[in-house]
Amino acid sequence: AQSVAQPEDQVNVAEGNPLTVKCTYSVSGNPYLFWYVQYPNRGLQFLLKYITGDNLVKGSYGFEAEFNKSQTSFHLKKPSALVSDSALYFCAVRKERSQGNLIFGKGTKLSVKP
Amino acid sequence: DAGITQSPRHKVTETGTPVTLRCHQTENHRYMYWYRQDPGHGLRLIHYSYGVKDTDKGEVSDGYSVSRSKTEDFLLTLESATSSQTSVYFCAISDGQGENQPQHFGDGTRLSIL
Repeated sequence: AQSVAQPEDQVNVAEGNPLTVKCTYSVSGNPYLFWYVQYPNRGLQFLLKYITGDNLVKGSYGFEAEFNKSQTSFHLKKPSALVSDSALYFCAVRKERSQGNLIFGKGTKLSVKP
Repeated sequence: DAGITQSPRHKVTETGTPVTLRCHQTENHRYMYWYRQDPGHGLRLIHYSYGVKDTDKGEVSDGYSVSRSKTEDFLLTLESATSSQTSVYFCAISDGQGENQPQHFGDGTRLSIL
């Protein structure tokens, strides 16, 4: 069965430092992976996706994610964190043989301090 | 932002009463989804629709029903609300075949059942 794990409930980073939010997945076939961000009292916003091709995927707001098939990981990264990046981040994997249904991780709260 | 409107945005009701949440989209997307978000669980799929009058169950469908009589509207009904259904409910939409397309989310409905 497909699953997604976000091993850290919270990540704390100083402004200007690089950030990484971790995600590992389990699928039986080719993975279709997504990252979303949620700000307080808002819905999820799509950041980026990996379907095929380059292992480094670039997305919105300067975020990127690195797909690693051997480690079954899809970590979200940003070279220089901003205070405004503080939010809840969700990794998701598309469920196979479904109508595009997604399985979400439990979320990681990112806190960027000035 | 994708044209998704959820109504109401907040609702407080009593156990045993029926509740209907509405999701309205202006994007003419084929796929629509209802999720609930609870601390420690991330987002869990309740029901989804892949066309007018075409719906299917998700991971946590017990106690919920849906209807889609028009492309733009997807209704979620709690026939007899219980306190365990207190949650934040999100509607999402996606285009095309849905498999590789990101889902776009509304801003949610906060439902409290006393």
